Amino acid sequence: GAVVSQHPSWVICKSGTSVKIECRSLDFQATTMFWYRQFPKQSLMLMATSNEGSKATYEQGVEKDKFLINHASLTLSTLTVTSAHPEDSSFYICSASVAGDSTDTQYFGPGTRLTVL
Amino acid sequence: AQSVTQLDSQVPVFEEAPVELRCNYSSSVSVYLFWYVQYPNQGLQLLLKYLSGSTLVKGINGFEAEFNKSQTYFHLRKPSVHISDTAEYFCAVSEYGSARQLTFGSGTQLTVLP
Repeated sequence: GAVVSQHPSWVICKSGTSVKIECRSLDFQATTMFWYRQFPKQSLMLMATSNEGSKATYEQGVEKDKFLINHASLTLSTLTVTSAHPEDSSFYICSASVAGDSTDTQYFGPGTRLTVL
Repeated sequence: AQSVTQLDSQVPVFEEAPVELRCNYSSSVSVYLFWYVQYPNQGLQLLLKYLSGSTLVKGINGFEAEFNKSQTYFHLRKPSVHISDTAEYFCAVSEYGSARQLTFGSGTQLTVLP
């Protein structure tokens, strides 16, 4: 149980284009989803917290106009990297907490490797 | 605010040997503690978690962790490692009432040698 998927698993795009990444909870409802960024050989950096039906809360230093997050349902959150540039190349990972679970356990997706040329 | 320190960035160990990955944390309130494993180019998989109760927590793949509140550590152990345990391991903490936000340590690369 508690499976999270991401799509696509990898994407290559040209500089200036936008890329959308989907995060789905497959067998549970997730009121809260999280988006992380991970650079090579580094830990995860929280980008934003997304609650279903409301605006995402972004961490300090994360541009909300560049990283658009939509959490339209209890099983789907999307991250859109707008006008992507090479410095946006990274590994993006989402996670989700099970609705009604007070233990704060997060279940992670497999990640999306973004390469901007 | 909480913080997590993983004391070893890399731990090489021979197959079938025991291993301990160290994690210290600091927080002014009660916390939940987690260990995750990440294989190359994959997301994170939950190994085990401490919520309350017994300070010795058993997880998947033969791993266990000891929670020590007075010395604020949550070390991960395995009595006999396999080649397939080679991966990056992350310790994480979540404070009660923190809106579920996790703070991660910097990670420990476990490399199991034949």
